[in-house]
Amino acid sequence: KQEVTQIPAALSVPEGENLVLNCSFTDSAIYNLQWFRQDPGKGLTSLLLIQSSQREQTSGRLNASLDKSSGRSTLYIAASQPGDSATYLCAVGPYNQGGKLIFGQGTELSVKP
Amino acid sequence: DTGVSQNPRHKITKRGQNVTFRCDPISEHNRLYWYRQTLGQGPEFLTYFQNEAQLEKSRLLSDRFSAERPKGSFSTLEIQRTEQGDSAMYLCASSRSGAGELFFGEGSRLTVL
Repeated sequence: KQEVTQIPAALSVPEGENLVLNCSFTDSAIYNLQWFRQDPGKGLTSLLLIQSSQREQTSGRLNASLDKSSGRSTLYIAASQPGDSATYLCAVGPYNQGGKLIFGQGTELSVKP
Repeated sequence: DTGVSQNPRHKITKRGQNVTFRCDPISEHNRLYWYRQTLGQGPEFLTYFQNEAQLEKSRLLSDRFSAERPKGSFSTLEIQRTEQGDSAMYLCASSRSGAGELFFGEGSRLTVL
């Protein structure tokens, strides 16, 4: 059974710092991995999608990497801003499971001005 | 592209009542997914549709839960005889294909008194 773990559960950093969020998964047989952002009481906003054949994806100040063999992904946020404060969720799409995603519990990020 | 739309955004009901949530996916997306999220946890998969066919249901989807997507467009999730444990955010997502990027709606928050 695929399990997704995100460490740390919460993180507080001063504005301007570069930071890394970690995601690990137990089964490397995945189609893709997707990172989301969730603001309190809101839905999920897709940040980056990495297909299983890719090693990384970049969007603006965000960079996500994928190492399938070790079951790990990282989300790098450069020059953090208070507006980046949110919960970040990692989710993997297992093979032959209809495209559904299995989620981690998220990392709650707070960026202090 | 109007995104995934969910209604109502918030529903407060008394224990034992029935509730229904509606999801309108992105128009050209043939896959539609329902998830449930409780406070501090990542979303948990409930069920998904390919067009009008319901292809998988999680064990979390008890007999009191039923989901439909009658014409392969919008979907409804009905909960009968609600219990306090049903209180959660119900999230809908859609994708173009089985390995594509999932796009989520803003969610429907259910509070059972």
